[in-house]
Amino acid sequence: QVQLQESGPGLVKPSETLSLTCAVSGDSITSNIWWGWVRQPPGKGLEWIGQIYHSGTTNYNPSLESRVTISVDRSKNHFSLKVSSVTAADTAVYYCASHIAQSGIFHWGQGTLVTVS
Amino acid sequence: DIQMTQSPSSVSASVGDRVTITCRASRSISTWLAWYQQKPGKAPKLLIYDASSLQSGVSSRFSGSKSGADFTLTISSLQPEDFATYYCQQTNTFPYTFGQGTKLDIK
Repeated sequence: QVQLQESGPGLVKPSETLSLTCAVSGDSITSNIWWGWVRQPPGKGLEWIGQIYHSGTTNYNPSLESRVTISVDRSKNHFSLKVSSVTAADTAVYYCASHIAQSGIFHWGQGTLVTVS
Repeated sequence: DIQMTQSPSSVSASVGDRVTITCRASRSISTWLAWYQQKPGKAPKLLIYDASSLQSGVSSRFSGSKSGADFTLTISSLQPEDFATYYCQQTNTFPYTFGQGTKLDIK
């Protein structure tokens, strides 16, 4: 059973870079799984940010692509998210997630609230 | 981007009721649709994938179907633990997009 755990600062200043890491347990990050991120502003709906395969292949949401980088560290069995030049609009709960092919998100982290202020 | 339109935005129902939630895609997504349940303060939970496949461990009172451009999540007999917000997500085309959510609360 895959388990995901986000970590990173809960408060980021405007114009700075948000950085989060997702630790993967119960499976190898080199499995046939896409690892990704979803965010949810307080009281609002879900927004898909992007995903990465262990080979380094990425897919990003065009609305964020110019500011987002998702990377994978096979040696640490974790993957990361960076969002640059943040504003208050980037305040959200950030979830790391695992996608099996195109069949949706089978596992989610518990989520971590990042506030930009 | 593919727009996913869920209806209704909210619904009130009673324990034992049958409830249906619909999601319509702005263009064809084949059967690449997932349904999630989210409770307050918790991560979403996958219920249905590939439009009609029940995720392991999910109650059989949840079912998914497709008719034309419409996808439906049906809860056959509401239980107290089913009161939550439900989201659909298309995984046919990047960026993957979610519906706006349907809040199911107790009548």
